[in-house]
Amino acid sequence: EVQLVESGGGLVQPGGSLRLSCAASGFTFSQYWMDWVRQVPGKGLVWVSRINTDGTTTDYAESVKGRFTISRDNAENTVFLQMNSLRVEDTAIYYCVRNGLLYSSSWYDNWGQGTLVTVSS
Amino acid sequence: DIVMTQSPDSLAVSLGETATINCKSSQSLLYSSNNRNYLAWYQQRPGQSPKLLIYWASAREPGVPDRFSGSGSGTHFTLTISNLQAEDVAVYYCHQYYDTPLHTFGQGTKLEIK
Repeated sequence: EVQLVESGGGLVQPGGSLRLSCAASGFTFSQYWMDWVRQVPGKGLVWVSRINTDGTTTDYAESVKGRFTISRDNAENTVFLQMNSLRVEDTAIYYCVRNGLLYSSSWYDNWGQGTLVTVSS
Repeated sequence: DIVMTQSPDSLAVSLGETATINCKSSQSLLYSSNNRNYLAWYQQRPGQSPKLLIYWASAREPGVPDRFSGSGSGTHFTLTISNLQAEDVAVYYCHQYYDTPLHTFGQGTKLEIK
């Protein structure tokens, strides 16, 4: 069974940093692109970042470019999202998602339970 | 960015009836080289993470009841839920993965029981 378990969320002041982790299991992690998608509670879904299978390609939404860094450790089956210079508008539930096609960016066939990031003074 | 617009924003349907949700994209999601539409649908029940229902506009994810079907091509797509059940109460999202990496979602459609 595919499992994605996020951790690392919490309350942080504006300008602060957090590092989210997503531990994957139940599949060959190194064969899948991984993304982060966020959702303000009660609102819609917004793509944040993605990383290819070996970590050599990363992309970011304009709203987080230069502040967030995605990375992965295929030996530990984990994907990370380092979030710096956090803003109030970054407050959201952050979901780790697996792309549905092997070695490709595509639809998201598995979602984690999400981790809540709250940026507030 | 490709803008995805769903309609209606919310709807109420009686148990056993059919719910229809529409999704329009600001540009075609049909990739000519493989004749596939890069469109997925998700269900998000209250308090839960989104769950994949449909990909390639009409391919049902294994385990999803056949009451759920997707159709459409190019810029207009539809999610149809027949024989509505109580557990279908959720927000439904369409998602385009044509324009990578800038994946975008519709704003969501809230489905309730009448």
